[in-house]
Amino acid sequence: SQQGEEDPQALSIQEGENATMNCSYKTSINNLQWYRQNSGRGLVHLILIRSNEREKHSGRLRVTLDTSKKSSSLLITASRAADTASYFCAINSRDDKIIFGKGTRLHILP
Amino acid sequence: NAGVTQTPKFQVLKTGQSMTLQCAQDMNHEYMSWYRQDPGMGLRLIHYSVGAGITDQGEVPNGYNVSRSTTEDFPLRLLSAAPSQTSVYFCASRLLMGTEAFFGQGTRLTVV
Repeated sequence: SQQGEEDPQALSIQEGENATMNCSYKTSINNLQWYRQNSGRGLVHLILIRSNEREKHSGRLRVTLDTSKKSSSLLITASRAADTASYFCAINSRDDKIIFGKGTRLHILP
Repeated sequence: NAGVTQTPKFQVLKTGQSMTLQCAQDMNHEYMSWYRQDPGMGLRLIHYSVGAGITDQGEVPNGYNVSRSTTEDFPLRLLSAAPSQTSVYFCASRLLMGTEAFFGQGTRLTVV
């Protein structure tokens, strides 16, 4: 399968702590994307990192990409209750499909 | 802009019935796709289209048909519903070549 695989499957942390999620994949990519899904809702795009980039920031989000290891990480700093959601990595393959992993369920404890 | 609009939001079908899930986007995106989301499985690509008149299969196409007669619309047809097609279905659209995808709010389908 080309899909990304997120790790861990579920994560619970205290509000204010940092949350780190990892993604591994198997195929060559154009870019890697991270999405958030709140319960019962559609997915919302968070950040895109191209295959020639190593790190990207957007607000409290930091994404890294290591194409030699075929892995990426998403760091959410200073977590808030509103960050409680499922997070998905998605690879954009060379044939321009977007293939999703199974997601990480993040729960921020008050 | 409404973005990506899916109808209906909820649907219950009996085994063997057919139906069409509607998807429309108003962003003039070339690329449209359908995913299904099942517990523990993430999102799996069913069919996709890179423009009007062009469709192709994704990871799990069996039991589904699509067509793309206009840039705006990409309906998904279930020919003969089966309980295994109980799922949440998402339509997404984007520009070509690896840009971010915009998702609809989903259709929750139950086949009994």
